Amino acid sequence: EAGVTQFPSHSVIEKGQTVTLRCDPISGHDNLYWYRRVMGKEIKFLLHFVKESKQDESGMPNNRFLAERTGGTYSTLKVQPAELEDSGVYFCASSQGLAGPYEQYFGPGTRLTVT
Amino acid sequence: AQSVTQPDIHITVSEGASLELRCNYSYGATPYLFWYVQSPGQGLQLLLKYFSGDTLVQGIKGFEAEFKRSQSSFNLRKPSVHWSDAAEYFCAVGARTGGFKTIFGAGTRLFVKA
Repeated sequence: EAGVTQFPSHSVIEKGQTVTLRCDPISGHDNLYWYRRVMGKEIKFLLHFVKESKQDESGMPNNRFLAERTGGTYSTLKVQPAELEDSGVYFCASSQGLAGPYEQYFGPGTRLTVT
Repeated sequence: AQSVTQPDIHITVSEGASLELRCNYSYGATPYLFWYVQSPGQGLQLLLKYFSGDTLVQGIKGFEAEFKRSQSSFNLRKPSVHWSDAAEYFCAVGARTGGFKTIFGAGTRLFVKA
């Protein structure tokens, strides 16, 4: 069974540009999460999808970040326009239905560098 | 508010020595606790979890952790460290909000010396 995959693995962009990160969860997982780790800080929750619906987006930093999950399958996280403080590693995770929401399987992360 | 504290930013142990990584949490209800490991260039891998039941839980790679409610702790242990255990370790608590989320500690980086 394939794990959570993320694309790209690394992205370097200039301040003001747009970047879109993609996450493919484990097949059959209704729950999809985005997290971010800024350099030297802890891993922080961004948002949680159940299928295509945003269940909790309390961790999204500001309106420059837009997450979507069309059809309840893969998800994208767009940053527009990117700022220097957006640099960090963005992790995606997925989990099965509501019976087991806490055991999350993480992808390898996308390292975003904004210059 | 829910939080997780890992007081040690980094720890160095000799290969073959025992290891204990500390973790304290703050959570109002029964906690769902996890330890994750991130090796260089890799994603987060679940080492073990505690949901309920026996407070001593066994995980992969020879790790174990003990849940102590009275101390709000969930320390990770391994009796004999291998060089391949060098990595960053994260303690985390699962929290139910409008949805669900995992709250992480800041991580402890483990260095293993020969």
